[in-house]
Amino acid sequence: TQLLEQSPQFLSIQEGENLTVYCNSSSVFSSLQWYRQEPGEGPVLLVTVVTGGEVKKLKRLTFQFGDARKDSSLHITAAQPGDTGLYLCAGAEINDYKLSFGAGTTVTVRA
Amino acid sequence: DAGVTQSPTHLIKTRGQQVTLRCSPKSGHDTVSWYQQALGQGPQFIFQYYEEEERQRGNFPDRFSGHQFPNYSSELNVNALLLGDSALYLCASSGLAYNEQFFGPGTRLTVL
Repeated sequence: TQLLEQSPQFLSIQEGENLTVYCNSSSVFSSLQWYRQEPGEGPVLLVTVVTGGEVKKLKRLTFQFGDARKDSSLHITAAQPGDTGLYLCAGAEINDYKLSFGAGTTVTVRA
Repeated sequence: DAGVTQSPTHLIKTRGQQVTLRCSPKSGHDTVSWYQQALGQGPQFIFQYYEEEERQRGNFPDRFSGHQFPNYSSELNVNALLLGDSALYLCASSGLAYNEQFFGPGTRLTVL
């Protein structure tokens, strides 16, 4: 059983549409990270959120950390083909050094 | 500023053999973590090294061992390889914000 559950598992949309990826858990996290991974490469860190209720925006990407620090979402506005990839959420429980990852959401943006 | 580097990029071994993977952390980072990523899954934590000691270990057998050197670089050793050890092995480094981990490109290990 994964500590972090991501949904949906797969997402295929047309260029210009919006999408949201969800990351849920019953555990409380001291911080939560979102990564994007291309095939055969390592995950690239997109954002770190640490405060409950925090919202961070990076261009067309909006990240939200739940008030109770148990869940998070990633919203992409006007998706582009370059947004295609595997999106992973990862959390660090309080007093824990490791990151626990979700299984990932594969996003495909069609031109 | 060099990021996290790993070597080799790809490796093919046969069952029962031993393998050593190497990692150099991002400049200014002193903590190295290793993860195993099977196809279609998220990375799974193997262990983390800090000050040349294993600080935390995930649910992996003793066949998996590691080392950290005074320059903060690290090695992952896997003995008695099994077919199920085939995966992408990722190294991540972190500094003061130990939960904010930056990953290398990985080493693809294939066990035949």
